[in-house]
Amino acid sequence: GNSVTQMEGPVTLSEEAFLTINCTYTATGYPSLFWYVQYPGEGLQLLLKATKADDKGSNKGFEATYRKETTSFHLEKGSVQVSDSAVYFCALSDRGNNDMRFGAGTRLTVKP
Amino acid sequence: DAGVIQSPRHEVTEMGQEVTLRCKPISGHNSLFWYRQTMMRGLELLIYFNNNVPIDDSGMPEDRFSAKMPNASFSTLKIQPSEPRDSAVYFCASSPRRGDSPLHFGNGTRLTVT
Repeated sequence: GNSVTQMEGPVTLSEEAFLTINCTYTATGYPSLFWYVQYPGEGLQLLLKATKADDKGSNKGFEATYRKETTSFHLEKGSVQVSDSAVYFCALSDRGNNDMRFGAGTRLTVKP
Repeated sequence: DAGVIQSPRHEVTEMGQEVTLRCKPISGHNSLFWYRQTMMRGLELLIYFNNNVPIDDSGMPEDRFSAKMPNASFSTLKIQPSEPRDSAVYFCASSPRRGDSPLHFGNGTRLTVT
């Protein structure tokens, strides 16, 4: 079945550091890929998405590229801020249905 | 749009009591999902509906859990009887019924069973 594996946290960085959170997936078809972010006390919200190979999703300085050859969708940001502290989830959804599968989540803490 | 609305935000109950969690999806969304989040197990899909019909309930832990969607604007997740291990944050999410559509989450219900 479809599944997502993302790097375990927690990740602690200093402000303005470079961020990478790794995500790889297993899917039988051609899934759409997503990154969600969860702030304390809130539900998950979409950060970015990509729907086909070589697509790059971007939002708020975050980027991720859909790599079919390596089945990966790593999240990157060139310079993190304290306000980026949150839990980040990689997810995939099969095009044939709405069965969204999430990774375990990676907690990011950015220190001033 | 008000987004996905869940109630209550917090629920504290004693073991053995019935608990009902409520969700109002975004108008026009055809799919509705119930997730459970714990530190140990992360985010687990419990059940999802398309057009008010349950499609996959394989994530429902056991017969104590049941979910209904009587119409397009309302869903409930019921636990009867509740147990301390059911303590978690329960999220409802909705989306248009397309594979590349993101989910829109509510703010969750934090359930504590003592």
